[in-house]
Amino acid sequence: NAGVTQTPKFQVLKTGQSMTLQCAQDMNHNSMYWYRQDPGMGLRLIYYSASEGTTDKGEVPNGYNVSRLNKREFSLRLESAAPSQTSVYFCASRLAGLYEQYFGPGTRLTVT
Amino acid sequence: QQQVKQSPQSLIVQKGGISIINCAYENTAFDYFPWYQQFPGKGPALLIAIRPDVSEKKEGRFTISFNKSAKQFSLHIMDSQPGDSATYFCAASPSGTYKYIFGTGTRLKVLA
Repeated sequence: NAGVTQTPKFQVLKTGQSMTLQCAQDMNHNSMYWYRQDPGMGLRLIYYSASEGTTDKGEVPNGYNVSRLNKREFSLRLESAAPSQTSVYFCASRLAGLYEQYFGPGTRLTVT
Repeated sequence: QQQVKQSPQSLIVQKGGISIINCAYENTAFDYFPWYQQFPGKGPALLIAIRPDVSEKKEGRFTISFNKSAKQFSLHIMDSQPGDSATYFCAASPSGTYKYIFGTGTRLKVLA
């Protein structure tokens, strides 16, 4: 049982490049979330998926898109990376009816 | 935007001492208040949580105190240990959403 896994662990992009961050969970959770973590700002919700087939914007969705590929996988795409998107990105998942969110190990992204 | 304000930003405590981290939320309805612990290079993990109908919850050395009228809640770590050195985040979940609004984090260092 690997829990929540994220790939890649580290990534460096140039401004304007695109990339997709991958997230998968093997806990049969229904809901999945993408957060970004910046110094002094805590974790901020980018997008979430309450269940397979649904996605909704969070607090800071601009510049991002998501895909809930199936119940296990939830990807985050940066279409045209900007330096302001330099951050650590965390994926999380939750079982329906319970509050606890389980976090992955994170992806550290640098945009130059 | 609903906010959760967390203080202090950093905290240094001697081994065996009590660590206290405070959070306050604004005038809105929340139904779940978790505390997450994050070690360097790792994702956050749930430490302890409380519902608003309870004033205190204790799990081992960790206690949440909740003051609904003051819209404040705090984490107390008794007999603090060097292994408790981590960043701690409070959060609040708006009623019925199962989403989190996180505080900005407290970096705790426990001196041996």
